[in-house]
Amino acid sequence: DAGITQSPRHKVTETGTPVTLRCHQTENHRYMYWYRQDPGHGLRLIHYSYGVKDTDKGEVSDGYSVSRSKTEDFLLTLESATSSQTSVYFCAISVEGPDTEAFFGQGTRLTVV
Amino acid sequence: EDQVTQSPEALRLQEGESSSLNCSYTVSGLRGLFWYRQDPGKGPEFLFTLYSAGEEKEKERLKATLTKKESFLHITAPKPEDSATYLCAVQENTGNQFYFGTGTSLTVIP
Repeated sequence: DAGITQSPRHKVTETGTPVTLRCHQTENHRYMYWYRQDPGHGLRLIHYSYGVKDTDKGEVSDGYSVSRSKTEDFLLTLESATSSQTSVYFCAISVEGPDTEAFFGQGTRLTVV
Repeated sequence: EDQVTQSPEALRLQEGESSSLNCSYTVSGLRGLFWYRQDPGKGPEFLFTLYSAGEEKEKERLKATLTKKESFLHITAPKPEDSATYLCAVQENTGNQFYFGTGTSLTVIP
């Protein structure tokens, strides 16, 4: 267990509303990632962070923003939720750097109606 | 273009019936190949990292191997508790991203 907590675990929201998902780690690791997992697509990277206030886009970043003001917290915001953003969202950390394995949280199931 | 392709999509085995899962990849330079296990409703759980062709890693009934174009996850004498989805991911030399396959759903029947 790499000490990763995602909140909330489940959320239902309406189209057009902003939504923020939180990832909290207790181990002070530098690299953090947000993925979404959809049937037929596998895990796809949304954004990642390599330090406080240092973030970069992944392959499916449109409609999402992130912030990392503290080492332990990485926030994912859906600026205006759409039904296509209904998914399971996973946070991950990389223990030693970008070229080592990632450890995942339990996921957040988001439904946009 | 898919960079990671896993096959088969689903596999049903009798308890004790050994088999292999395949992960083929197309990246210009491989930094690492990763295997994960995912149980329903949970996040992926790390199993192995392989870095170079010819490398092998083992853990209990699982053994992962790597060539220049693919990796195999061999499952020897599986048990029902090995039932899960097995995910493969690669990381290129040029970036920090992990590219995941869509997984193989394994069911082991008692």
